[in-house]
Amino acid sequence: DAKTTQPTSMDCAEGRAANLPCNHSTISGNEYVYWYRQIHSQGPQYIIHGLKNNETNEMASLIITEDRKSSTLILPHATLRDTAVYYCIVRVADTGNQFYFGTGTSLTVIP
Amino acid sequence: DTAVSQTPKYLVTQMGNDKSIKCEQNLGHDTMYWYKQDSKKFLKIMFSYNNKELIINETVPNRFSPKSPDKAHLNLHINSLELGDSAVYFCASSPSTTGYEKLFFGSGTQLSVL
Repeated sequence: DAKTTQPTSMDCAEGRAANLPCNHSTISGNEYVYWYRQIHSQGPQYIIHGLKNNETNEMASLIITEDRKSSTLILPHATLRDTAVYYCIVRVADTGNQFYFGTGTSLTVIP
Repeated sequence: DTAVSQTPKYLVTQMGNDKSIKCEQNLGHDTMYWYKQDSKKFLKIMFSYNNKELIINETVPNRFSPKSPDKAHLNLHINSLELGDSAVYFCASSPSTTGYEKLFFGSGTQLSVL
């Protein structure tokens, strides 16, 4: 699976949009981009995933660049409960292919 | 009802002991996993089972033995515990290993080996 690079930490003001970047310059054509987050002392939680097109759900939006070498997770109105470590993962949707978590971005939402 | 539940939440034990962590999912998923999160917060896959059959066995010492009595359960037994086994262990499940399924995680078991 391709490797991802994320900033170690970020801050965001409560109520503002949080934009979390991820570089995956070696991504291959059949690899999806997934985002998970882990709130302190809990298991990771799925947020969103996509292949080429931008995606939106009730939690977030995922913007993938046209060359697919980077993506941005957007939390439109960050709340204090969004403080967590956010993991960007690329993975081939194939049998036996597992999710490999990197170091993630520690997002702190500030009141 | 909790989708993926694991017990115990905390486990404190002495070196050399044998311990087990249990995991159950009520989502009807075919695939279950064990992940280990160390003190540096790296989350690494250990095992993956699909319909009670072992699919993935990463480089994990033989002292770790997963057991899946049915597809809703995946237990982790650890023999001769060592200090380096101290970590948080997460169980997870997904509908299958193919496609773009989501992983559903349990809340973790914090293992401390003294």
